[in-house]
Amino acid sequence: GQQVMQIPQYQHVQEGEDFTTYCNSSTTLSNIQWYKQRPGGHPVFLIQLVKSGEVKKQKRLTFQFGEAKKNSSLHITATQTTDVGTYFCAWSSGGYNKLIFGAGTRLAVHP
Amino acid sequence: NAGVTQTPKFQVLKTGQSMTLQCAQDMNHEYMSWYRQDPGMGLRLIHYSVGAGITDQGEVPNGYNVSRSTTEDFPLRLLSAAPSQTSVYFCASSPVFSYNSPLHFGNGTRLTVT
Repeated sequence: GQQVMQIPQYQHVQEGEDFTTYCNSSTTLSNIQWYKQRPGGHPVFLIQLVKSGEVKKQKRLTFQFGEAKKNSSLHITATQTTDVGTYFCAWSSGGYNKLIFGAGTRLAVHP
Repeated sequence: NAGVTQTPKFQVLKTGQSMTLQCAQDMNHEYMSWYRQDPGMGLRLIHYSVGAGITDQGEVPNGYNVSRSTTEDFPLRLLSAAPSQTSVYFCASSPVFSYNSPLHFGNGTRLTVT
């Protein structure tokens, strides 16, 4: 079956450092979404990637979808304390009516 | 618009008790779903619905029932609570299920089963 790993599980950075989280699939993905969950909050949609090799930017956040559509990454440049939270990738599964989430990467930013 | 509303926010149950977690959305979304979140395990899909009268199982459906009698409401029933069901439960909706439609989440219900 389809297996998607999200790494790392946890990342601790100093404010101003960069951060990257990865989702790696054993099979081709039709699309991938990224969500952010602040501590104590609910997941909030960030972006969706559909095309092979797609790159999208939102201010300091850069999202990539690999050429083979098996990998995706979220990169944050010059982290701020407001970036603290858990970042999840999610993908459609089983006839496209199910959105499955990765285990998430928890980001801690120290000032 | 209130978006996705979940009640209650917190609940403590004893093993064997039953209860219903409520979820309502006022965005006229066809697609609704329930997830549970446990530490280190991300969000796991319990049940979902693509429209009124239609429900289906997700990744971890055992011990839970759902129904969708209206577009607005999608309650989750725990038939006989077990400590393993201690978790944070999120309801989410989208206009339709497609790769173009992100999920809108409620604020969650934190459930403890003793």
